[in-house]
Amino acid sequence: DAGVTQSPTHLIKTRGQHVTLRCSPISGHKSVSWYQQVLGQGPQFIFQYYEKEERGRGNFPDRFSARQFPNYSSELNVNALLLGDSALYLCASRSGADLYNEQFFGPGTRLTVL
Amino acid sequence: AQSVTQPDIHITVSEGASLELRCNYSYGATPYLFWYVQSPGQGLQLLLKYFSGDTLVQGIKGFEAEFKRSQSSFNLRKPSVHWSDAAEYFCAVGARGGSASKIIFGSGTRLSIRP
Repeated sequence: DAGVTQSPTHLIKTRGQHVTLRCSPISGHKSVSWYQQVLGQGPQFIFQYYEKEERGRGNFPDRFSARQFPNYSSELNVNALLLGDSALYLCASRSGADLYNEQFFGPGTRLTVL
Repeated sequence: AQSVTQPDIHITVSEGASLELRCNYSYGATPYLFWYVQSPGQGLQLLLKYFSGDTLVQGIKGFEAEFKRSQSSFNLRKPSVHWSDAAEYFCAVGARGGSASKIIFGSGTRLSIRP
């Protein structure tokens, strides 16, 4: 069975540009969460979506947005990129909304902002 | 607010030696606690988790962790490390913020193995 997949693997953008990152959850998983991992730090929670609805967001500016599609895949959008947005963006899926369901992480998308 | 502290940024141990990685958390209620491992080029993998019950939790790859409420700690242990254990290890606490179920990670401990 395929795990969580993310695309693209790597991405290079310049300041001020917009980026879209994509995530496909494990089949049957209805919850998708996004995390940002800056080099040398632990992942930070950005968003959780469950059944296509936003369940919560972390302490990130409005430049960050996301959505979940009927097939439970998800997109993370970042507008007006800043140098500080350079990071590994991780997507994670779980079958249900609650923490009791194990969360599985994808390999991430490495975003570099120049 | 919930938080996780991993006081050791980098640890080096000899192959075959025992290992203990420290983790302290701050959380008002009964926490959900996790240890993840991240190897270069690979995603985060769950080693073990604690939700309730027995405070000594067994995980994959021979790892175990002990929840100590009085010390707000959840230290990870392994009796004998292998070279393949070299990786970044993250302690995390599960938190509910509004309706979201999120995991708050520590800053990680990088483990190096001395041959």
